Amino acid sequence: RKEVEQDPGPFNVPEGATVAFNCTYSNSASQSFFWYRQDCRKEPKLLMSVYSSGNEDGRFTAQLNRASQYISLLIRDSKLSDSATYLCVVEGTGTASKLTFGTGTRLQVTL
Amino acid sequence: NAGVTQTPKFRILKIGQSMTLQCTQDMNHNYMYWYRQDPGMGLKLIYYSVGAGITDKGEVPNGYNVSRSTTEDFPLRLELAAPSQTSVYFCASTRDYGYTFGSGTRLTVV
Repeated sequence: RKEVEQDPGPFNVPEGATVAFNCTYSNSASQSFFWYRQDCRKEPKLLMSVYSSGNEDGRFTAQLNRASQYISLLIRDSKLSDSATYLCVVEGTGTASKLTFGTGTRLQVTL
Repeated sequence: NAGVTQTPKFRILKIGQSMTLQCTQDMNHNYMYWYRQDPGMGLKLIYYSVGAGITDKGEVPNGYNVSRSTTEDFPLRLELAAPSQTSVYFCASTRDYGYTFGSGTRLTVV
């Protein structure tokens, strides 16, 4: 089983749509959780952290379910500029802050 | 602040050649990392460092070496390039939360 699993997509949605991405992780001892965004041929950039209590930043909402080892990202009112690959990322145990990346879910927002 | 700077941006190597991918950061971060990303795949950790003089293997270290003589610099060395090392290489750093990535080095081994 992969450490971090995501649906690769692509998700093709019209502007204004709501889209949800899901992710599961295998290591129950994982400590921190993130969503990163990666544009084509660019480096990943931190989108937001994920907490059990939920985390909202404008049109983006992230949620963590530790019992199910499940992470989600909801994007409301999609914009063309949201088109990118969204990486689910898990920080493991230990002191080195090592991150494990999912393969990413590609989102294409169209007119 | 420049953040994390990687050089070169692109490189074509012949099989068996060697090269060093440079990575430097000006944020005084202790933790630095090297990842590779193959098409359609997630980032895989090659090596990491928790401070000057300390390095450790990640998930895919074979064929690579690193050193960390200063806090700022974390070069990645390929000794005998192989086609399987064709990939995009990202360097990253952090103090304790949220990585800052360099813009990547796109390497092709032919």
